[in-house]
Amino acid sequence: SYELTQSLSVSVALGQTARITCGGNNIGSKNVHWYQQKPGQAPVLVIYRDTNRPSGIPERFSGSNSGNTATLTISRAQVGDEADYYCQVWDSSTGVFGTGTKVTVL
Amino acid sequence: QVQLQESGPGLVKPSETLSLTCTVSGGSISSYYWSWIRQPAGKGLEWIGRIYTSGSTNYNPSLKSRVTMSVDTSKNQFSLKLSSVTAADTAVYYCARDRKVVGATSYYFDYWGQGTLVTVSS
Repeated sequence: SYELTQSLSVSVALGQTARITCGGNNIGSKNVHWYQQKPGQAPVLVIYRDTNRPSGIPERFSGSNSGNTATLTISRAQVGDEADYYCQVWDSSTGVFGTGTKVTVL
Repeated sequence: QVQLQESGPGLVKPSETLSLTCTVSGGSISSYYWSWIRQPAGKGLEWIGRIYTSGSTNYNPSLKSRVTMSVDTSKNQFSLKLSSVTAADTAVYYCARDRKVVGATSYYFDYWGQGTLVTVSS
């Protein structure tokens, strides 16, 4: 089965840039989607199809995908961006989530 | 605005069957895939499976032998049954709408329910 690996945690200073990576075998050949989950809440889609932002998601959120790594970038990080972030792909008619990354804004 | 709401028992005994229903409002259930996703406390997300409004299903291979999904388009509802549950099945269960990526065989989840906690305990 396909596996997605994320760093356990990422810390970023207020106003700086956070990069969250999602590793998978030849993930660049797949569409990667990203979700933000705050404590006690359902996940929220922040990026779909590698680079696309749903309506209502700030431009500070961006994505890229190449080779064996997909990246979610949060620019000008705010306290409100503190959350768990999950990548997700579709593989062999199965949804696959990454292990999740906790983002802390210092 | 599409809204999803999970419902069902919050406590299930070991070896019994977990049953949940998701009610969709603000839009039709037709012509979409609908998924169940779960999350044990303090852990990550796990996709359980999905159902199309025709009744076609895809299940996570790790749970396939215990999962059954159904859909009732007249009620705008779809359901999950997970049999022979153990403590390892204790989790928050979410229902979500699958959205297909145009031109690709890929789906993401654009609408989610708030989640419902199911505890497996005697």
